Amino acid sequence: NAGVTQTPKFQVLKTGQSMTLQCAQDMNHEYMSWYRQDPGMGLRLIHYSVGAGITDQGEVPNGYNVSRSTTEDFPLRLLSAAPSQTSVYFCASRKGGNTEAFFGQGTRLTVV
Amino acid sequence: AQTVTQSQPEMSVQEAETVTLSCTYDTSESDYYLFWYKQPPSRQMILVIRQEAYKQQNATENRFSVNFQKAAKSFSLKISDSQLGDAAMYFCAYRRGYGGSQGNLIFGKGTKLSVKP
Repeated sequence: NAGVTQTPKFQVLKTGQSMTLQCAQDMNHEYMSWYRQDPGMGLRLIHYSVGAGITDQGEVPNGYNVSRSTTEDFPLRLLSAAPSQTSVYFCASRKGGNTEAFFGQGTRLTVV
Repeated sequence: AQTVTQSQPEMSVQEAETVTLSCTYDTSESDYYLFWYKQPPSRQMILVIRQEAYKQQNATENRFSVNFQKAAKSFSLKISDSQLGDAAMYFCAYRRGYGGSQGNLIFGKGTKLSVKP
């Protein structure tokens, strides 16, 4: 049972480049979310999904795009990378009801 | 909007001693959950303990326990018999118990705990 898998683990981008952070879970969880972690800021919600075909914005959505075509996958797209998007990104998933969230191992992204 | 506040950016404890990490939150909702997560240098987010708001009894997991004061909106974490492996960043988090965004966590800014041998 792989849990929540994020790829890549590390990435360096140049300003203006685009890329997709991948997130996949094999637990048939309805809820999936993307967070970014910055020093001294904790984790902040970027986008989330409550099921296939349904997405919504979180606290810091600007510059990011998501889609949820399947239950398993929830990719995060950076349309035109900026240095302010240098961060550690976490994907999380959860079954509905009173259940805990499972986190991926994170992606450290540096935009130069 | 809900907020979570951790007022101690850094804490230090001697090995085998007890330490308490503070967390306060603000919400107008009655149905919610509170969590403490540990993040070691490996970056992995590890659930330490959880508390349902409707439960009056404080949650306990081995050496970890919470002091949940619902009226004061306080949720502190006590680590007893501290071990070197407890050194990590600790995050307090809130999750509402219902609604379309119920899957989402609201995090505090974290407390970095160091353990001295």
